[in-house]
Amino acid sequence: NAGVTQTPKFQVLKTGQSMTLQCAQDMNHNSMYWYRQDPGMGLRLIYYSASEGTTDKGEVPNGYNVSRLNKREFSLRLESAAPSQTSVYFCASIRYSDYGYTFGSGTRLTVV
Amino acid sequence: AQTVTQSQPEMSVQEAETVTLSCTYDTSENNYYLFWYKQPPSRQMILVIRQEAYKQQNATENRFSVNFQKAAKSFSLKISDSQLGDTAMYFCAFMNGGYNNNDMRFGAGTRLTVKP
Repeated sequence: NAGVTQTPKFQVLKTGQSMTLQCAQDMNHNSMYWYRQDPGMGLRLIYYSASEGTTDKGEVPNGYNVSRLNKREFSLRLESAAPSQTSVYFCASIRYSDYGYTFGSGTRLTVV
Repeated sequence: AQTVTQSQPEMSVQEAETVTLSCTYDTSENNYYLFWYKQPPSRQMILVIRQEAYKQQNATENRFSVNFQKAAKSFSLKISDSQLGDTAMYFCAFMNGGYNNNDMRFGAGTRLTVKP
């Protein structure tokens, strides 16, 4: 099925551990995005990639790195996890046919 | 920078009645899109309705309609004949048009509960 696939769906980390959230889309979309969702704050942009080989910071990039490995894949890395990074993370890509987003199903990350 | 404000953190409505969720935004752009997304407990983000800023006609999708007031920068969502399945978080969102800077700005959300 065409769409955005995120892995893992759930993760618990200890403070200081590192991990990479994976995202892949099979719709040939150029632009991809990483958001975090926190209670009372909606979704906030962490990083985005307008095309293969380019990445840019969003509203809340501190503590994260990203890699646009190819057109399909856009990963988000936490080098040293902190409790403040406990959140739900969404990956998305944009359809320019109607300017709609296709979202992944989200990753619930808890840092203890 | 564009901002999106949802002033109603929580709302409730009786089944079969009508409810309106409010959203205001701030931008100096003329070419943009507005969206309402629904997020049920499954946390999947589901597009409810979208509005192109250049269109004067308000968008409608079955029981969902918007009141788009461009001059006032207001974009409210009306849900008619509310159903129990409408219980969810609702997010208002803004996106610039064109092919650059198409990140979406979201409001803080409104938690809607439909009561039987």
